[in-house]
Amino acid sequence: AQSVAQPEDQVNVAEGNPLTVKCTYSVSGNPYLFWYVQYPNRGLQFLLKYITGDNLVKGSYGFEAEFNKSQTSFHLKKPSALVSDSALYFCAVSPSRDDKIIFGKGTRLHILP
Amino acid sequence: SAVISQKPSRDICQRGTSLTIQCQVDSQVTMMFWYRQQPGQSLTLIATANQGSEATYESGFVIDKFPISRPNLTFSTLTVSNMSPEDSSIYLCSVASGSGDTQYFGPGTRLTVL
Repeated sequence: AQSVAQPEDQVNVAEGNPLTVKCTYSVSGNPYLFWYVQYPNRGLQFLLKYITGDNLVKGSYGFEAEFNKSQTSFHLKKPSALVSDSALYFCAVSPSRDDKIIFGKGTRLHILP
Repeated sequence: SAVISQKPSRDICQRGTSLTIQCQVDSQVTMMFWYRQQPGQSLTLIATANQGSEATYESGFVIDKFPISRPNLTFSTLTVSNMSPEDSSIYLCSVASGSGDTQYFGPGTRLTVL
């Protein structure tokens, strides 16, 4: 079965420090991988995606993610965290284009001033 | 990316009633999706709404409970019928990008059923 795992319910990082939010997936074939962010009382905002090509993809707000096929991971990273990055982050996967997206359970990121 | 709006943004309803949520996109899109996000939970796909055909429902969701309309390529509605407190959730619509490989989401409708 296709699935996405975000092993951490919450991640705390001091402002200015690098951050990583973990994601692993289980999908057959070549998956489409996504990160979305949800701020309080707001909808989901698209951050970045991996479809093919360079394993390191860059997205909005200085975020990037690294696709690792051997480890079936797609961890979200940022070199220097901001307090405004505090939000709920969802990793998602789709088996192919036009297919439905499967979401992870989400990781709440707290950036401490 | 497309600009997506939803109405209402939030509502409080009595059990046994129905609520229709509207999703409007500023450009024509082939595929629209409806998701539910229960309190403290992730997103779950309810159905895929395609213009000109009946919606395709995911396991656990039925048309009688969540009827969907898709009258044209820029608009869709989701009705939550005969509501119970368990239907209290955020309901989000999304659209696929022109290339079909990315979904963009509306701001959501926060529904509370008393």
